[in-house]
Amino acid sequence: NAGVTQTPKFQVLKTGQSMTLQCAQDMNHEYMSWYRQDPGMGLRLIHYSVGAGITDQGEVPNGYNVSRSTTEDFPLRLLSAAPSQTSVYFCASSYGSTGNSYEQYFGPGTRLTVT
Amino acid sequence: KNQVEQSPQSLIILEGKNCTLQCNYTVSPFSNLRWYKQDTGRGPVSLTIMTFSENTKSNGRYTATLDADTKQSSLHITASQLSDSASYICVVSAGGSYIPTFGRGTSLIVHP
Repeated sequence: NAGVTQTPKFQVLKTGQSMTLQCAQDMNHEYMSWYRQDPGMGLRLIHYSVGAGITDQGEVPNGYNVSRSTTEDFPLRLLSAAPSQTSVYFCASSYGSTGNSYEQYFGPGTRLTVT
Repeated sequence: KNQVEQSPQSLIILEGKNCTLQCNYTVSPFSNLRWYKQDTGRGPVSLTIMTFSENTKSNGRYTATLDADTKQSSLHITASQLSDSASYICVVSAGGSYIPTFGRGTSLIVHP
């Protein structure tokens, strides 16, 4: 099993550009989520999905879109990049929600810089 | 507002020594508390998950304790190794919630 994979590992964008961060898992997990990690702060939830076709907002959803057309994939789209979106982005997956004590597996992260 | 506070912010110890990291939380209703290890440049990896009824859980040289009454948890690392150098993150989830609350982490450096 590859677990949770993310691409790209690094990305530099100019303000206003759009891009998609890719996330895939091969563990047949229903629950997937996107977090951002900023220096001096805990990870914050951007969006999450409880299954194919179902997504919802987390704590910091503004400026990001998601969709879940398959169980395996959960891409994160930045519509118009801003310097405030410079961060490290982590995708995670689990059989169920963290509120129900399911083990959560994180990907290796994408380091994004917006200039 | 749900909060998770970790202390100390950073810690330097010598290889072979023990250490204890602290986590205080105000998350309600409490469901579970997790400790993660995050190596530099990598994603967090789960060490332990504890629910309300569990006081202690071990994973090798890592032992987590939970006091749900005082809303405190600790992570004890025994006989530290250089590979223990990492950030240790405490995460608390509320029952029925899809949004966990993350602490800022404790940065541990183990020197030879």
